[in-house]
Amino acid sequence: EAQVTQNPRYLITVTGKKLTVTCSQNMNHEYMSWYRQDPGLGLRQIYYSMNVEVTDKGDVPEGYKVSRKEKRNFPLILESPSPNQTSLYFCASSLSSPQGSRDTQYFGPGTRLTVL
Amino acid sequence: QKEVEQNSGPLSVPEGAIASLNCTYSDRGSQSFFWYRQYSGKSPELIMSIYSNGDKEDGRFTAQLNKASQYVSLLIRDSQPSDSATYLCAVNINAGNNRKLIWGLGTSLAVNP
Repeated sequence: EAQVTQNPRYLITVTGKKLTVTCSQNMNHEYMSWYRQDPGLGLRQIYYSMNVEVTDKGDVPEGYKVSRKEKRNFPLILESPSPNQTSLYFCASSLSSPQGSRDTQYFGPGTRLTVL
Repeated sequence: QKEVEQNSGPLSVPEGAIASLNCTYSDRGSQSFFWYRQYSGKSPELIMSIYSNGDKEDGRFTAQLNKASQYVSLLIRDSQPSDSATYLCAVNINAGNNRKLIWGLGTSLAVNP
């Protein structure tokens, strides 16, 4: 089954404790991205990756890191989480960049993160 | 003016009625338009995409695009309670040397049995 998976689905942590949210897709998609979704602010892109070893900042990259060492995986790293990073996070993938193409984005199930 | 605007709703319609969802955008050069559906606590999923002026139909869903007036709409015919969700409009806009996918905040739809 074609899918995007994320882990963990729910996470409660404390300020400053490094964490990683994993994302994996099995569709051989080149493009992957991370979004956060907050009430009243909608979906905002954090980082995206056009291909292996090619990543770039989205609209709200501060406090986050990513890496793309393999085509299928695109982990999101919070080196020192803060309460303002409490949010619902989605990983998404598409065959190519949705910005310049008509490719559908497929979203993972989401990770609800709470930083105390 | 926001780049992509939607009425937040909630839009409430009776079962079997037509639900009409609207989205306006600021960039006249936009060429790709998407409607995603998001159930509460779930991830967005693509419902329709449209690229040319006019109507595009897929089952009970019709997307309508009017580039001159800079709006795109989604009609849901014979609305069902299972259509109750938030509908997100996404538009490719010009951002300097690149294009960017911008998301509206979504319209909440409630279909009442």
